[in-house]
Amino acid sequence: GESVGLHLPTLSVQEGDNSIINCAYSNSASDYFIWYKQESGKGPQFIIDIRSNMDKRQGQRVTVLLNKTVKHLSLQIAATQPGDSAVYFCAENMVNGGKLIFGQGTELSVKP
Amino acid sequence: DAGVIQSPRHEVTEMGQEVTLRCKPISGHNSLFWYRQTMMRGLELLIYFNNNVPIDDSGMPEDRFSAKMPNASFSTLKIQPSEPRDSAVYFCASSLQGPEGYTFGSGTRLTVV
Repeated sequence: GESVGLHLPTLSVQEGDNSIINCAYSNSASDYFIWYKQESGKGPQFIIDIRSNMDKRQGQRVTVLLNKTVKHLSLQIAATQPGDSAVYFCAENMVNGGKLIFGQGTELSVKP
Repeated sequence: DAGVIQSPRHEVTEMGQEVTLRCKPISGHNSLFWYRQTMMRGLELLIYFNNNVPIDDSGMPEDRFSAKMPNASFSTLKIQPSEPRDSAVYFCASSLQGPEGYTFGSGTRLTVV
């Protein structure tokens, strides 16, 4: 069936290192992807998005890469900080769809 | 703007009781979404509305769940009767148009004992 999933459920990095969180999707009809960050006790918060006509998009300390050939999405966080510790979700939206389907999430832990 | 506002933040109820969760979307947003989050199943879309009209309720678990949006500034998710397996965090989100600009509320943590 259609699904959005993450390769790694947990990721532990040292403060200052770069983090890479991966996501695989199976629906080739998806045309819009978003990364969310969820801190404990809070709702998911938008980080960055990318459309299927792009391969890469950069934000402040974050970069999203999209590889449509292998249906893979990644989130790169530069110079990871303790405040980046959270669960990260990828989500996809199908063409002409109005809803987001979320993956299971990866927990990022930043060690000082 | 105060963002998406959900109430209550926490709800503890006994099995069999009716539970009503409330959501106030961001003013001007015309799409509203209800999600349920559990450790086992992650974030599941239950139902979403466009311009107060339910568009897709395929994620609603069973007839015990119902959702309404009587106007553009208010929505409810009701569970009647509630069961322990309904225990989860329920999130409401709104957007201006479709999936872009999704903004989540802080959620309601529901515990059914």
